Amino acid sequence: DAGVTQSPTHLIKTRGQQVTLRCSPKSGHDTVSWYQQALGQGPQFIFQYYEEEERQRGNFPDRFSGHQFPNYSSELNVNALLLGDSALYLCASSHTGPGNQPQHFGDGTRLSIL
Amino acid sequence: AQTVTQSQPEMSVQEAETVTLSCTYDTSESDYYLFWYKQPPSRQMILVIRQEAYKQQNATENRFSVNFQKAAKSFSLKISDSQLGDAAMYFCAYRRVNNNDMRFGAGTRLTVKP
Repeated sequence: DAGVTQSPTHLIKTRGQQVTLRCSPKSGHDTVSWYQQALGQGPQFIFQYYEEEERQRGNFPDRFSGHQFPNYSSELNVNALLLGDSALYLCASSHTGPGNQPQHFGDGTRLSIL
Repeated sequence: AQTVTQSQPEMSVQEAETVTLSCTYDTSESDYYLFWYKQPPSRQMILVIRQEAYKQQNATENRFSVNFQKAAKSFSLKISDSQLGDAAMYFCAYRRVNNNDMRFGAGTRLTVKP
């Protein structure tokens, strides 16, 4: 049973470029959340996708956008990259249902901006 | 806004001993969820234990248990019989019911000495 998989593992970009990160949720999960984890800090919620729509968004600018596909996989797009976007980007999946559905995390994509 | 505070940037424990990691949070909600996640160097966030605020009984998962003090807004994690594999960053997290924005603390780095 595959868990949450993210690609690529590591990415290097320069300021002003655009980047796309990918996530495949755990089998049976239909909801995908994205987090940004800066060095030495806890993850910060970017947004969540369910039924191919953005269901909730954290305090991130419009440069951060996403997409969810019919197979529940998801992409995170970041435009006009800034040095401050350097971070570990984590994807988490869960199953929508009543109660406290736990989120399962992937290994993350390390994005470095030069 | 809900905030999560972990006041111990680093903690150390001898193998087979017990250690307690502290977490406090700020909220005006009466019902919510609390979590402890472990993040080893492999980067994947692993759910250690979770607690629903409406439950008075403290959650327990094998060697891991919590001390949930709702009035004090405190949620500490106790690790008994510490093992070398317990060495990691530990994050405390909070989530409101019916809200997908999970708030994380800054983390505590746990070192286990043989």
